[in-house]
Amino acid sequence: QVQLVQSGSELKKPGASVKVSCKGSGYTFTDYAMNWVRQAPGQGLEWMGWINTYTGNPTYAQGFTGRFVFSLDTSVSTAHLQITGLKAEDTAVYYCARVWSRSSGMDVWGQGTTVTVSS
Amino acid sequence: QSVLTQPPSVSGAPGQRVTISCTGSSSNIGAPYDVHWYQQHPGTAPKLLIYGNTNRPSGVPDRFSGSKSGTSASLAITGLQAEDEADYYCQSYDNRLSASVFGGGTKLTVL
Repeated sequence: QVQLVQSGSELKKPGASVKVSCKGSGYTFTDYAMNWVRQAPGQGLEWMGWINTYTGNPTYAQGFTGRFVFSLDTSVSTAHLQITGLKAEDTAVYYCARVWSRSSGMDVWGQGTTVTVSS
Repeated sequence: QSVLTQPPSVSGAPGQRVTISCTGSSSNIGAPYDVHWYQQHPGTAPKLLIYGNTNRPSGVPDRFSGSKSGTSASLAITGLQAEDEADYYCQSYDNRLSASVFGGGTKLTVL
């Protein structure tokens, strides 16, 4: 079946880096864009940006430039989100979600990866 | 502040009908870009409920329906059930921001 499986929870110290992975299966990985969405504790969904899985071209939302990097390893159908210089306010659940087009919505989501930043 | 405005909470008794509004502007819903709706139960990932304003993915009960008019969209849920208690989010694209945007979310309580 179609699914996105994300890597496990992470506990990091301020200033460290983290890399979250999102592995797609059950479909042709490069046929769908991959979006990233953040949800801070008790807060709503926040769109971080997306990566074109065919070209590898990333697009970042305002507020997610500089310390956030989207990348791919298409050989294993996996998208990555790397965050450098972690801050306490980066503590959140990070989701990947695939998108066919602007008319289709985010139809399959990963289970989420909790990143906790604490000293 | 979210670009798309939703009421923070709505409630209804089992069997009743509730609606959740999503108000945008001429740069998103009114542009017009499609509106999608997601349901999120506590501790779980969001689930696509309505796409392209009015379409239900396979497996979503027909108790859920979406509509759009001008710069606003709505999600209607009929025959409320206990399992409908969740957070609901609308989402669209904004050409001024060149970004996808979510509403702030609405918590549905089934009384």
